[in-house]
Amino acid sequence: RKEVEQDPGPFNVPEGATVAFNCTYSNSASQSFFWYRQDCRKEPKLLMSVYSSGNEDGRFTAQLNRASQYISLLIRDSKLSDSATYLCVVNLWRGTSYGKLTFGQGTILTVHP
Amino acid sequence: ETGVTQTPRHLVMGMTNKKSLKCEQHLGHNAMYWYKQSAKKPLELMFVYSLEERVENNSVPSRFSPECPNSSHLFLHLHTLQPEDSALYLCASSPQSGVTPYNEQFFGPGTRLTVL
Repeated sequence: RKEVEQDPGPFNVPEGATVAFNCTYSNSASQSFFWYRQDCRKEPKLLMSVYSSGNEDGRFTAQLNRASQYISLLIRDSKLSDSATYLCVVNLWRGTSYGKLTFGQGTILTVHP
Repeated sequence: ETGVTQTPRHLVMGMTNKKSLKCEQHLGHNAMYWYKQSAKKPLELMFVYSLEERVENNSVPSRFSPECPNSSHLFLHLHTLQPEDSALYLCASSPQSGVTPYNEQFFGPGTRLTVL
């Protein structure tokens, strides 16, 4: 079983659509969770951290279900600029000052006019 | 523009060559990382340095040799690589702003390596 599993897509949606990505992780000791975004031939960049209570940043909403080991990302009112690969990331942190991140393979999103 | 730079951006080498990848961070961070991103595979953590000491090594073959001379610089020395080592090699850094699992990692643009 993969440590972090995502539907690779691709998701092709029109502008203005709402799209949801799901992710599951296998290690119940994982401590923190993130969504990173990676544009084509670019480096990953943090989109948002995911907290137990769920959190929202503009058009983006992230949810975490620790019992089910499940993370989600919802994008509302999709823009052309949202086209990218979305990486689900978990941190098997053990009280250190550095992270130990495990990445999913990414979900490809294409938003078309 | 991130505060993490990598050179070279592209590298083609033969299996008998020796080369080095360089990473420099200008963010005052204390931890630095090497990742490998192969086609159709997730990013894989290779090495972690915290305060210039290697603290994680994910069973990477010895043909990859990291070096961290100070908290701003990180190298990956390469020798006798195999074609399957062709990938994007990404450097990252993170701050030591408290003991928290939510420290963000900032990535450099990567070195795209091709081994012939």
